[in-house]
This record gives sequence, C-alpha cells and structure tokens, in this order.
Amino acid sequence: DIQMTQSPSSLSASVGDRVTITCRASQSISTYLNWYQQKPGKAPKLLIYASSSLQSGVPSRFSGRGSGTDFTLTISSLQPEDFATYYCQQSFSTLWTFGQGTRVEIK
Amino acid sequence: QVQLQESGPGLVKPSQTLSLTCTVSGGSISSGAYYWTWIRQHPGKGLEWIGHFYYTGSTYYNPSLQSRVTISADTSKNQFSLKLSAVTAADTAVYYCASRNLGTDSFDYWGPGTLLTVSS
Repeated sequence: DIQMTQSPSSLSASVGDRVTITCRASQSISTYLNWYQQKPGKAPKLLIYASSSLQSGVPSRFSGRGSGTDFTLTISSLQPEDFATYYCQQSFSTLWTFGQGTRVEIK
Repeated sequence: QVQLQESGPGLVKPSQTLSLTCTVSGGSISSGAYYWTWIRQHPGKGLEWIGHFYYTGSTYYNPSLQSRVTISADTSKNQFSLKLSAVTAADTAVYYCASRNLGTDSFDYWGPGTLLTVSS
C-alpha cells in the first residue's frame, strides 16, 4: 500500500492567514494526488485533483502543487468557511489511500 | 450533477451481514464515466476505500476486506449496493458512496453518508 502522511495533524490560524498543508507519499505517485475538505458531519468535498487542478466551483484561494512524493495544499487567505479537516488521497495505485487528515481550527 | 444517497439499517448485530444501498440520480450507473465506490470512515478517524463497481460488471475491492465484501448494482433502479459479511464492532463507521470520475481520477461526488453501528 502507498502510505500518505500529512503534516501538521492540526493547526490554528486566523481569518486572512495563508495556510499550507503538506502531504507526503511513501513512494512516487507522479501527480496522482487529490485534496478534499470535510466539515463535521458532512461528506468530503473534492477541492483539487491531479495535484494542482481546481475542481469546478472551488474558490481560487485554494491551490495545490507538487509531484513525486511531496505535495502541498495552500489556502491563500483563510475564510471562516474554510475551518475544516483536509485530506489528501493518492490515485496512483489501484488501492486508493488517504492521508490521516489535517484539522484547521480557529485561533 | 450527480447526486448519491445511501440507505441502510443503521444497526447490525455482530457476525451478521451489513447491506447498504446507494441510489444515484442525475447520472446513470451504466455510464462508463464513473466507478461507483464505497468508502468508510471510522468514528473520528480517516477515510478507507472499500471497493467499486464498474458498469461492465467488474468489481475491485480493498484487499483487507476482500474476503467479506461484495459490491453489485441494479441498473433498473440506478442503484449499487454493498454487502459486508461477518461484521464486528470494528466495522462501525460512517459509510459513504461516491463516484470516482475516470477523467480526473478523483472522488467528485459523495453521498451524505450513513452511520452503521455493529452492536448486539
């Protein structure tokens, strides 16, 4: 299995802050990396696919980059509705795996 | 836009078989554009891919669950289903159905999820 490790596990930030979350794969996955946002009691929502492509309808303050084993999700200016848990997910292997999540909390 | 909705019993006894159904609207499960997928989330934990069904009838399961999982579809009802046998408390989770988009290779639509508790 390809293991996905996110850091940090949680962070506290203020509205307007620039936030970056990191995801590392246990082996190279090219750009087969997706990012999701999950709010409490809700299903995950796709934000970014193929490392850097913004899903339709997702605000442009979200961006992703990376290839190989190291990836980042950046929120350029954190908004109140962005407080949530974020997951990365690899689609390189046929056993799709997710990171453990990064919880973004209000400072 | 594709919409998905899970349905199921909510509570299952240990050793029994869990059965969940996902009803799809706004798209056909006979379309070749998606793999119809089940994913679960243990309470307070991360996400685990369970398996998927493709319109050709092919299925693929997480090896850790393969011996207990069956995913099938009823195209006449535009539904696909999950059966998980010999459940234990470790199978207590929120179960999501989702569509895996072949073009973007991502899970682009999700149902709201259904909590399944395994308890006697």
